Amino acid sequence: SQQGEEDPQALSIQEGENATMNCSYKTSINNLQWYRQNSGRGLVHLILIRSNEREKHSGRLRVTLDTSKKSSSLLITASRAADTASYFCATIGQAGTALIFGKGTTLSVSS
Amino acid sequence: GAVVSQHPSWVICKSGTSVKIECRSLDFQATTMFWYRQFPKQSLMLMATSNEGSKATYEQGVEKDKFLINHASLTLSTLTVTSAHPEDSSFYICSADVGVGNQPQHFGDGTRLSIL
Repeated sequence: SQQGEEDPQALSIQEGENATMNCSYKTSINNLQWYRQNSGRGLVHLILIRSNEREKHSGRLRVTLDTSKKSSSLLITASRAADTASYFCATIGQAGTALIFGKGTTLSVSS
Repeated sequence: GAVVSQHPSWVICKSGTSVKIECRSLDFQATTMFWYRQFPKQSLMLMATSNEGSKATYEQGVEKDKFLINHASLTLSTLTVTSAHPEDSSFYICSADVGVGNQPQHFGDGTRLSIL
């Protein structure tokens, strides 16, 4: 089963612009994680935000979490062509250990 | 640290063949590993949770006799697609849990399976 929706499904921007992706989920969570996937490859972990955190930063990445709205956002600032990939949010429920993934956002950054 | 190795990365075989995919945690012990399936331009769908020394837990709709999972050691889980058919063609990805709360999972690079 999938946890929820990501918005937008696809995003095309120019290098240097910021990219914002949103994720909604359905159930109570322990944490929410964002992953990146280059075409045909495995997943790379970007950021984990716990249910009691509201915002987290890592380099050019900023993640917010609103548990009242069951939503999260990933902001990539000053995007680069190398940021072109699919981005997924994933959650672990309070009773579980398996990651449940959203549908993902495909980001294209052109130079 | 926390490297997961998945092998093979790419398999092409004839219909009716059984295919084994290995998922190894190289520098940590993983009591729990997960197997996902991903169709083109879609998200990852959890197939099963693999626990060392016990039977795997399969998600609804996943045939346990079709997708055999063995987790015989703390560093190795295998997924065998038995009597594979073209509809089993997909990208299969494993991940491993380091066993500590609120930590990311670590993913293999995936196996692209093509059944002719």
